[in-house]
Amino acid sequence: GDSVTQMEGPVTLSEEAFLTINCTYTATGYPSLFWYVQYPGEGLQLLLKATKADDKGSNKGFEATYRKETTSFHLEKGSVQVSDSAVYFCALLFQGGSEKLVFGKGTKLTVNP
Amino acid sequence: EPEVTQTPSHQVTQMGQEVILRCVPISNHLYFYWYRQILGQKVEFLVSFYNNEISEKSEIFDDQFSVERPDGSNFTLKIRSTKLEDSAMYFCASSPGRNTEAFFGQGTRLTVV
Repeated sequence: GDSVTQMEGPVTLSEEAFLTINCTYTATGYPSLFWYVQYPGEGLQLLLKATKADDKGSNKGFEATYRKETTSFHLEKGSVQVSDSAVYFCALLFQGGSEKLVFGKGTKLTVNP
Repeated sequence: EPEVTQTPSHQVTQMGQEVILRCVPISNHLYFYWYRQILGQKVEFLVSFYNNEISEKSEIFDDQFSVERPDGSNFTLKIRSTKLEDSAMYFCASSPGRNTEAFFGQGTRLTVV
């Protein structure tokens, strides 16, 4: 079945460091791909999305490109801030069939000043 | 900005008791969902609800679970006889249409003792 594999955390970085969180997926067909973020004490918030191959989603300095050839949707940010400390979830939504989001396990990011 | 709200934020219940988790989805959304996350594990889909009926459910969503939209604004998840393994964070979500991104609430942490 459809699945998402995310880089295991936790990840600890210093402020202004480069961030990559890897995400790969297994799906039949062409899913939409998402990154959700959960800040401490808050719910899941949509960070960015891409609905077809080669699309790049971006928001708040974060980017991820939908790579069909490698079935990946890695999250990147050039310079992280302390306020980016959160748990990041990669997810897929299969178009045209199931309505459910399939999530990865989440990666906890801590950014130190 | 419209948001999904969930109450309570934390619920402690004794094994075997019934619990009702409450959610107010975004007002013009048509699709409603419940997900759960057992500590340290993936966010898992439980059920989706559209047009006053369940449109999809997972194998987790057995006979002890039920959902209801008792009025025009609330969306509830009832667990009839809680078990220890029901302890988890339960997320409600809503979306404006089929296969569009879902907006999540802050979650209800259910602890079964």
